[in-house]
Amino acid sequence: DAGVIQSPRHEVTEMGQEVTLRCKPISGHNSLFWYRQTMMRGLELLIYFNNNVPIDDSGMPEDRFSAKMPNASFSTLKIQPSEPRDSAVYFCASSLGYEQYFGPGTRLTVT
Amino acid sequence: RKEVEQDPGPFNVPEGATVAFNCTYSNSASQSFFWYRQDCRKEPKLLMSVYSSGNEDGRFTAQLNRASQYISLLIRDSKLSDSATYLCVVNKGSYIPTFGRGTSLIVHP
Repeated sequence: DAGVIQSPRHEVTEMGQEVTLRCKPISGHNSLFWYRQTMMRGLELLIYFNNNVPIDDSGMPEDRFSAKMPNASFSTLKIQPSEPRDSAVYFCASSLGYEQYFGPGTRLTVT
Repeated sequence: RKEVEQDPGPFNVPEGATVAFNCTYSNSASQSFFWYRQDCRKEPKLLMSVYSSGNEDGRFTAQLNRASQYISLLIRDSKLSDSATYLCVVNKGSYIPTFGRGTSLIVHP
């Protein structure tokens, strides 16, 4: 089992640019989560999908952030336009029950 | 009060020591509890679930105290490889978890 796959692993971009992060969950898992982790705020849940449907997006910071899950094997998190304060590690996790399996994360730096 | 609180540490202990962390939660309706481990610059990984009756996995013991609303993690005979951040996770009955900020453990020779 390949586990949760995220791409890119590192992204450096300039303020104002669009950033798209990608996630492939573990096959058979029906829930997908996007998190953001910073030293200041810890691990924050951004959005939760169940069976490809967004269930809770209350953690999405603002309208600049959007997430989609067009099918059971793919999800994207988009930031447009990006700002320096968006710099963080973004994790995707999938689950079939309560236990979550995290991807390796995307380290985003916005200059 | 935060939903899930942990002492950030760091806990600095010698090899072979026993160390314990606590995690308090504010919502009495919380139903599921977990400990995750996160190594530096890596993703969190599930360490163990926490059951009402307590559970043990090798050198690790997890316990739940519903009356006082906290869970604990005990590590016996600490190894250098136990150095990591330990995250407490609480679910309120849905599949949406709340993560604590984590407790840092440093095991030194």
